[in-house]
Amino acid sequence: NAGVTQTPKFQVLKTGQSMTLQCAQDMNHEYMSWYRQDPGMGLRLIHYSVGAGITDQGEVPNGYNVSRSTTEDFPLRLLSAAPSQTSVYFCASSPNLRGVQYFGAGTRLSVL
Amino acid sequence: DQQVKQNSPSLSVQEGRISILNCDYTNSMFDYFLWYKKYPAEGPTFLISISSIKDKNEDGRFTVFLNKSAKHLSLHIVPSQPGDSAVYFCACFGITGTASKLTFGTGTRLQVTL
Repeated sequence: NAGVTQTPKFQVLKTGQSMTLQCAQDMNHEYMSWYRQDPGMGLRLIHYSVGAGITDQGEVPNGYNVSRSTTEDFPLRLLSAAPSQTSVYFCASSPNLRGVQYFGAGTRLSVL
Repeated sequence: DQQVKQNSPSLSVQEGRISILNCDYTNSMFDYFLWYKKYPAEGPTFLISISSIKDKNEDGRFTVFLNKSAKHLSLHIVPSQPGDSAVYFCACFGITGTASKLTFGTGTRLQVTL
């Protein structure tokens, strides 16, 4: 039972490069979200989705795009990476908005 | 504007003793509260939760207490075990701005020593 799968686990980018962080869940959860974890800042919500075709901004959305074409996948796109986006990124899914969230193992991103 | 704060970045407790982790929030619209535990190189995992209509919820060695008037919740671990060493995040659910969201605290690193 895979749960929430994030790829890649590690990535190094140069400033200005673009990339997509992948997130897939096999629990048929409607709600999915992306967080970033920075020292002393906890987990901050970037974007979230309450179902296929529906996305909304979280606390720190600038510099990131998302889409939700299927229930299973929720990719996070960095169009032009900046050093301030160096962080650990977590994807999570939940059966509903108030439900317990299940997290992936994270993607550690460094932007040079 | 940090709506959820964990003022102790770290805590060290001896094995067998009680660990008490604290969390304060400012948003009176929060009505559901959770604790997550995170080991290095892993994602957070759910530990225990409490609704705003309760003041205590217990699950084995873990108990969460909620003081709504003080906007304070705490997690008690009794007895503490070395495997409890991890980072603990509190999280609060409720209306933030124009939508209902989950807001996480900054985390407390617990070390349980032998």
